[in-house]
Amino acid sequence: DADVTQTPRNRITKTGKRIMLECSQTKGHDRMYWYRQDPGLGLRLIYYSFDVKDINKGEISDGYSVSRQAQAKFSLSLESAIPNQTALYFCATSDHGTGRETQYFGPGTRLLVL
Amino acid sequence: SQQGEEDPQALSIQEGENATMNCSYKTSINNLQWYRQNSGRGLVHLILIRSNEREKHSGRLRVTLDTSKKSSSLLITASRAADTASYFCATATLGGNKLVFGAGTILRVKS
Repeated sequence: DADVTQTPRNRITKTGKRIMLECSQTKGHDRMYWYRQDPGLGLRLIYYSFDVKDINKGEISDGYSVSRQAQAKFSLSLESAIPNQTALYFCATSDHGTGRETQYFGPGTRLLVL
Repeated sequence: SQQGEEDPQALSIQEGENATMNCSYKTSINNLQWYRQNSGRGLVHLILIRSNEREKHSGRLRVTLDTSKKSSSLLITASRAADTASYFCATATLGGNKLVFGAGTILRVKS
């Protein structure tokens, strides 16, 4: 089984709808991240969490919210989806400490907002 | 804003040739990492180089880091068709605990 899983893998929604993307990990890592990827722009950080009680905004948090339900689960919500939120969304995890900075990515969720 | 910028944006080579990708960044870093992404899939970590290191090797990969020029290069030797992917550099800033990714280089290896 994959260490970092994301559901759904694909989602089509309409403008104004609320949607949630979910991420689960079995790596036992404290740190979790949400990114979005747009063509030609690489990955941009939306939110990150270093433990269950810690939530931090990333570079592009407007229009998004997150919930860290447990060490293994980190959800991303779009409160009122808009077309320019159409993108590929990735969840990632990492451990902490020197030598453990590698991030491990889920397979991604492709979101289309009509 | 993105910290790292890759060059070239796209690279097409023949199988067996070497591929070199470059990354430039703007601020002081703790480490720089390279990731690979096959089309539409999640990123996979390739190699990490710390700010006090100048060169690292891993299999057919060689990474260099020049902190005075704020730049890094990734060399893939004896490329294979399976190396076809997008390659991203990502920087971890001093005291920071998160990565900032560049826009990536699309590598195509023709067989």
